[in-house]
Amino acid sequence: ETGVTQTPRHLVMGMTNKKSLKCEQHLGHNAMYWYKQSAKKPLELMFVYNFKEQTENNSVPSRFSPECPNSSHLFLHLHTLQPEDSALYLCASSQDWQLQPQHFGDGTRLSIL
Amino acid sequence: ELKVEQNPLFLSMQEGKNYTIYCNYSTTSDRLYWYRQDPGKSLESLFVLLSNGAVKQEGRLMASLDTKARLSTLHITAAVHDLSATYFCAVTSGSRLTFGEGTQLTVNP
Repeated sequence: ETGVTQTPRHLVMGMTNKKSLKCEQHLGHNAMYWYKQSAKKPLELMFVYNFKEQTENNSVPSRFSPECPNSSHLFLHLHTLQPEDSALYLCASSQDWQLQPQHFGDGTRLSIL
Repeated sequence: ELKVEQNPLFLSMQEGKNYTIYCNYSTTSDRLYWYRQDPGKSLESLFVLLSNGAVKQEGRLMASLDTKARLSTLHITAAVHDLSATYFCAVTSGSRLTFGEGTQLTVNP
């Protein structure tokens, strides 16, 4: 049990579908993150939220839309994705956005048909 | 832009042997992390190194940091199969954590 739970673990969707990834942390942390992990590439930071406010958007295409309703929950809404968006999407949290280490969820393996 | 480079990217070693993974980074940073990732699993934090000369050890793994050289090492002593995983170093720059590509370690009997 990592304290950071992601659902679903696996997702297959067509390019015209709309789906959402969910992340929940039970650690009392104030900062949450979305990362993309593609094969043979370093983890790419996508979004950072601190106290529910977005503090960083790392030039992510608008087909990815994050939502952070409270400090414990983070969503990634997906719409009109491309095949190159197939990857492992990892959620992480930390006590504060400037303090580490980050605690990671198990990820959602996303495949775009 | 902060760049983090690890080498080697792939490492196959025999049980009982020693080896070192290297992590170089391009700009000043005061904090470096080592993570482990098993296939299909989450990243697990191994070490946090906060200052020049810091050394931390846990079991067969020892990590060190040289901030002047912008280099961290992860040394594996007497490897065992259970250490097979991908190891990432990550460096802070402001509030951002930048990861290396990872070193995929396979320990063979």
